[in-house]
Amino acid sequence: QSALSQPPSVSGSPGQSVTISCIGTSSDIGRHDRVSWYQQPPGTAPRLVIYDVTNRPSGVPDRFSGSRSGNTASLTISRLQAEDEADFYCSSYSGNGWLVFGGGTKLTVL
Amino acid sequence: QLQLQESGPGLVKPSETLSLTCSVSGDSMSNPDYWWAWIRQPPGKGLEWIGSVFYTGNTHYNSSLVGRVAISADTSSNQFSLKLYSVTAADTALYYCARQLGIGRWCFDFWGRGTQVTVSS
Repeated sequence: QSALSQPPSVSGSPGQSVTISCIGTSSDIGRHDRVSWYQQPPGTAPRLVIYDVTNRPSGVPDRFSGSRSGNTASLTISRLQAEDEADFYCSSYSGNGWLVFGGGTKLTVL
Repeated sequence: QLQLQESGPGLVKPSETLSLTCSVSGDSMSNPDYWWAWIRQPPGKGLEWIGSVFYTGNTHYNSSLVGRVAISADTSSNQFSLKLYSVTAADTALYYCARQLGIGRWCFDFWGRGTQVTVSS
């Protein structure tokens, strides 16, 4: 049950788009449609922004979108805003009643 | 509005048992649409799923903690609990409780604020 692989950091300027990758295996991301993304601003609890690969919970702006190709899931944030600055985590169901998180990516808005 | 509140000792000695409780308000734990989960975050590190419990008592645990962890549900008091046995300094973390979407969705849509637990003599 290894952690999913995320880049330590990404950055972008306001108005731009950024994409955060989450690399798994054929046992987790590549097999199950249970990929989620969480946003965690400093000092706060995580907030669900994407579930089931592409779905947005109520209240999450449509600037946040999720996708998957093979064993890699991606979160794209369009029209970047200063308030988007946070740590982002992916997670995936990995079968047998197990869940695995990625190591996290720090998003800096320049 | 759903609220989750973690409670328990902030300091635990090595080799002892960490015990935390999550109080749920604004929804019934007996709602079959949800599971209830514990997740932790060591200082400066990422998230780690500990395990989840259904209101019937069914559980799933992180394979790395099996044998050291127990999660239980008390629907009469609308609380669920975490016990982590034989703790070491590596168990020092911010511990969150969360609501997990059911029907096999494996995501957490509501989180508590978290409670800091330090393992130290």
